[in-house]
Formats: sequence, C-alpha cells, structure tokens
Amino acid sequence: SAVISQKPSRDICQRGTSLTIQCQVDSQVTMMFWYRQQPGQSLTLIATANQGSEATYESGFVIDKFPISRPNLTFSTLTVSNMSPEDSSIYLCSGGESGGYEQYFGPGTRLTVT
Amino acid sequence: KNQVEQSPQSLIILEGKNCTLQCNYTVSPFSNLRWYKQDTGRGPVSLTIMTFSENTKSNGRYTATLDADTKQSSLHITASQLSDSASYICVVSPLRGSQGNLIFGKGTKLSVKP
Repeated sequence: SAVISQKPSRDICQRGTSLTIQCQVDSQVTMMFWYRQQPGQSLTLIATANQGSEATYESGFVIDKFPISRPNLTFSTLTVSNMSPEDSSIYLCSGGESGGYEQYFGPGTRLTVT
Repeated sequence: KNQVEQSPQSLIILEGKNCTLQCNYTVSPFSNLRWYKQDTGRGPVSLTIMTFSENTKSNGRYTATLDADTKQSSLHITASQLSDSASYICVVSPLRGSQGNLIFGKGTKLSVKP
C-alpha cells in the first residue's frame, strides 16, 4: 500500500489569491489524481497528473484555473488560482498503479475562500 | 448520466448491532465497484473491491454484495464498533474512461453509539 500526505491540511484564503497544495507519496506510483469534494457533494475528478507532461483535465476543469505539476513518481502539486468563494472545497490527491484497482487517498486539504 | 445513489444518508446504531448500507448505480458498463470508509478529516480507505463478475467480498466484519443485474450493492457491517463511525462511500469504476474517473456516491454517515 501507499501512504499519501498533503500540505497544507487546511487554509483560509482571500478572494483573488492562489494556493498551492502539495501531495507526497511514500512510494513510487504510476498514476496520481486530484479530486474536489464540495460541501455535501461527492468527490469529482479534476485531473490526472502525468509525470513529466501536462496533466489531463476532466470536463469543466481547465489548466489556467488548476495548474498541476508532477515532477516525479512520488510528488505532485495542485494550484487553485484566482480563488473565489465557489472554490471552497476539500481537495484530495490519490495514487495507484496503472491498470490497478487499488487507489490510495491523501487526507485532503480543506480550503475556505473568503 | 452515470450516477451512484446511496441510502440511507445517515444512520445511528448501537454498538454491537449489525447494519446494511445500500448503493444503487446507473453506471454501465462498469469495471468494478468499491466501498470506501472515510473517517472525519481523513481520505477514503478501501474496504472491498468487486469486479462485475463477483457477487460478494468480505473484509473482516465488512461484507459487500453486488447484483449487476439490478445494479445494486450493499455493505453489511457485523457487530459494529465505535470505530466504525465514519462515512461509507460506494464508488463505481466505468469500463471506459480514465482510471481515476470514478463515480462516487455521496456516502452514508454511520454513527455507532455506546
């Protein structure tokens, strides 16, 4: 199994600013993903973080708003840019092996935008 | 539209009692169905994973069932413990699409009281 940590665990940010969330895995994983969990809603996939190349975004999410980096097989960052109150959510990263069923989740970053 | 519906939304039971959580889905075709446990402030942790051809899977006191014909799954918890208090999320993986594009239910919040 893989253990995933995220930083920060929570933050309160002002409208118009940006926040970068870090995701660290304790072992190499092929696949890494970023999800959003809005209040009272289910998790939604934002993008797949690809090592050494641009992330693959799901419908409704764009790179300018959610730039993602993945420099190696154990680390990824998600930036929430030009934040508005609608971006207040929990952001989770996860990792797993390509073609595998197991997916390990980080504890999430609770973001509040005022 | 691919959807996963869970019931009940919340449930309170006494320690030592059994309970069953329900999941109905419209995802078709699908690769596998998973049940996750999410403690407050933590990321989801996998309990069971069933492929479309499996009917039941157990993990200790947790037993999941799957009826692919009626598109229903259930999670049965036996002899509940206080530590079972958490949200239980049903997740369906579509056969096509990216590996991370899972369809999450909103979860059932279980409270186990002494």
